[in-house]
Amino acid sequence: GIQVEQSPPDLILQEGANSTLRCNFSDSVNNLQWFHQNPWGQLINLFYIPSGTKQNGRLSATTVATERYSLLYISSSQTTDSGVYFCAVSTGGSRLTFGEGTQLTVNP
Amino acid sequence: DAGVIQSPRHEVTEMGQEVTLRCKPISGHDYLFWYRQTMMRGLELLIYFNNNVPIDDSGMPEDRFSAKMPNASFSTLKIQPSEPRDSAVYFCASSSSTAYGYTFGSGTRLTVV
Repeated sequence: GIQVEQSPPDLILQEGANSTLRCNFSDSVNNLQWFHQNPWGQLINLFYIPSGTKQNGRLSATTVATERYSLLYISSSQTTDSGVYFCAVSTGGSRLTFGEGTQLTVNP
Repeated sequence: DAGVIQSPRHEVTEMGQEVTLRCKPISGHDYLFWYRQTMMRGLELLIYFNNNVPIDDSGMPEDRFSAKMPNASFSTLKIQPSEPRDSAVYFCASSSSTAYGYTFGSGTRLTVV
């Protein structure tokens, strides 16, 4: 099956800092999503982005499908951004495969 | 819309007992997914439905697990008999298409003792 690698595994920031999270995948995909799991366990969909660039407030994402990677940018980080960020992909159909996530901690 | 609704939020049961987890997808969504999250295995897809029909159940761990979707607004995941290794957070998600993002419910934290 497809392999999904996320980096870094852990990231600690001071409030106000910017960060870039990376997701590499081993095959062509037709579906790529970024999720945020908050400290209470809720999984929130951030982006559906199999290709191209999208922005939503302080967050933006870019997927370069031909080079098999996606980036999630967080600008002016806040303590509420803390949690685990997951990248999930599918090569066809609806079976999303999740990466292991990046644990982000934003300190005040 | 109230989002994807799962019940119960927490379930503690004894080994050997039957457990039933419930999910109400977002109205109008025709895809429904059951995921399990553990520290060891991360998030893994158990089964998904399209228009109430099971499409891929290859992630269901064994015959003790079964899932049904009797109508567009309700699905159940049943474990019988339950075992301690089934302890995990079980998530339900729905989507209006495979070309859109998935919306997850709040999850059911299952503990089998």
